[in-house]
Amino acid sequence: AQTVTQSQPEMSVQEAETVTLSCTYDTSESDYYLFWYKQPPSRQMILVIRQEAYKQQNATENRFSVNFQKAAKSFSLKISDSQLGDAAMYFCAYRTVTQGGSEKLVFGKGTKLTVNP
Amino acid sequence: DGGITQSPKYLFRKEGQNVTLSCEQNLNHDAMYWYRQDPGQGLRLIYYSQIVNDFQKGDIAEGYSVSREKKESFPLTVTSAQKNPTAFYLCASSRTRTSHYEQYFGPGTRLTVT
Repeated sequence: AQTVTQSQPEMSVQEAETVTLSCTYDTSESDYYLFWYKQPPSRQMILVIRQEAYKQQNATENRFSVNFQKAAKSFSLKISDSQLGDAAMYFCAYRTVTQGGSEKLVFGKGTKLTVNP
Repeated sequence: DGGITQSPKYLFRKEGQNVTLSCEQNLNHDAMYWYRQDPGQGLRLIYYSQIVNDFQKGDIAEGYSVSREKKESFPLTVTSAQKNPTAFYLCASSRTRTSHYEQYFGPGTRLTVT
């Protein structure tokens, strides 16, 4: 079964600085999708960024980018120019397909990011 | 506005009572999901459904039940058999068999059982 590991339960960063959140996963599949979701204090889950495994280019969305290392099964999230609004729980997720053909996400346990003014 | 609604935002029940959490989506998504979130546990999958009138157990289905009679609705019942029902519950939906797979989430329901 696929597993997703986020080894940093908590991280902190100074406003305007850069921070990297780590995520590793375990899979035997060759084609898959990876995601980073953000959950602010409102608890609304928001998609931050998505990476298709077959794409060699790392995904980027404004100040958010990933470092996708397929061989190492690593998928880290870099937040540049951190803002107070970036403070949230961040979840890494892997899209898997069951034997019955159903799609579902497997989530890591999350990293709580604090942004200090 | 397209989206997912969950009601109510806060729900209180006495131990031993069944309670049903509502989830409705108007995104025309085929698939719907229920997650439970506890501190330090991330999101754990309770049940999911890819099409109407069909659903599968997730990782922690014991003590829960669902139905999928309509495409837009996927209610979750927390039964008295669930030993520790107090938690935050999230509903999500997605398209299926698409290269742009993504789950969209509702605002969640905080259930407290005393």
